[in-house]
Amino acid sequence: KAGVTQTPRYLIKTRGQQVTLSCSPISGHRSVSWYQQTPGQGLQFLFEYFSETQRNKGNFPGRFSGRQFSNSRSEMNVSTLELGDSALYLCASSAGQGGEQYFGPGTRLTVT
Amino acid sequence: GENVEQHPSTLSVQEGDSAVIKCTYSDSASNYFPWYKQELGKRPQLIIDIRSNVGEKKDQRIAVTLNKTAKHFSLHITETQPEDSAVYFCAARAFGNEKLTFGTGTRLTIIP
Repeated sequence: KAGVTQTPRYLIKTRGQQVTLSCSPISGHRSVSWYQQTPGQGLQFLFEYFSETQRNKGNFPGRFSGRQFSNSRSEMNVSTLELGDSALYLCASSAGQGGEQYFGPGTRLTVT
Repeated sequence: GENVEQHPSTLSVQEGDSAVIKCTYSDSASNYFPWYKQELGKRPQLIIDIRSNVGEKKDQRIAVTLNKTAKHFSLHITETQPEDSAVYFCAARAFGNEKLTFGTGTRLTIIP
């Protein structure tokens, strides 16, 4: 099976802009979770989608949003980018029934 | 919410010796405890996990132990090799919830 894929791998944006990141889960996996990784805060949970529904949300401002499509692919959007949004954004897929989570390679977002 | 503490933050071990990384969690509802290895510039890779109905699990040179009463779990790596050098993250998850709460990571360096 192909692993979790994320696009783009690298992104440079300017403060105030918005960005959309994409994640394709492992075939057959219906759950996609998003995490933000920074040197200062570590790995933090953003939200999780299962069968196109957001089931859980972390403690991030409303500028961070996501969605999931019928093919389980997921996107996350960050609006009004701030310098502090610079991070590695990782998605993880699982079958959604309490199974193992497998991470994608991440999207490195730099906000200038 | 769940809080996961991980120690030590850095660990240097002579090649061939054993390494132990410890984590404690706060939420008694947590029942799934994975460990991830992240090499520089790469995605977190699931290396082993344990569920709350099991006290110990082994996979070749890697083992994880869980003490539910004390709410702590540990990763043991025996006969360490240079390729074991990486950052290791522990995590905890409650039943019916895909959200992983991560520890702050341990940078393991194997000295040849």
